[in-house]
Amino acid sequence: AQSVTQPDIHITVSEGASLELRCNYSYGATPYLFWYVQSPGQGLQLLLKYFSGDTLVQGIKGFEAEFKRSQSSFNLRKPSVHWSDAAEYFCAASGFQKLVFGTGTRLLVSP
Amino acid sequence: DSGVTQTPKHLITATGQRVTLRCSPRSGDLSVYWYQQSLDQGLQFLIQYYNGEERAKGNILERFSAQQFPDLHSELNLSSLELGDSALYFCASSVASSGRSSYNEQFFGPGTRLTVL
Repeated sequence: AQSVTQPDIHITVSEGASLELRCNYSYGATPYLFWYVQSPGQGLQLLLKYFSGDTLVQGIKGFEAEFKRSQSSFNLRKPSVHWSDAAEYFCAASGFQKLVFGTGTRLLVSP
Repeated sequence: DSGVTQTPKHLITATGQRVTLRCSPRSGDLSVYWYQQSLDQGLQFLIQYYNGEERAKGNILERFSAQQFPDLHSELNLSSLELGDSALYFCASSVASSGRSSYNEQFFGPGTRLTVL
């Protein structure tokens, strides 16, 4: 069955520190991969996506993600976190139609 | 602003009732997707329509139904509501239906928060 795993429910990072959010997927073939962010009371905003090619993808708001086929992972990174990055982050995968989401990681940013 | 609109923003109703959630896709988008976000189940795909026809089905209960109209707006109908149906319901739209050689990005609306009392 298709699944996406985000092992960390909560992560707390100090402002200015680096961030890595983990994501692993289980699919029949390499799916399309995405990271979305959801701020409180808001919808989902696409941060970045991986379809094929270069395994390091750049997104909006200074985020990047690296696809590692051997580890079935697509981890999200940011070199320096800002207080406004506090939100819930969802990793998602897709074959052709539906998006399959992970359970999300809530990012807390401490001063 | 993604260009996808959903109404109403909030809906409070009682168990056993029926509600209709509405979604207007981005201009030019033919595909509409419905997702449910609940504390128990997380974010789950419910159903997809493409140009008026059902294209894919996910974990949608039999009490739920959807349709897409000729003007491409979509409605999600939830009936015989239970407490567990309380959730945030998202609509997303894309230009077309994705295939093996291409993926069409889904743009999400702000959601409708349904509370069943």
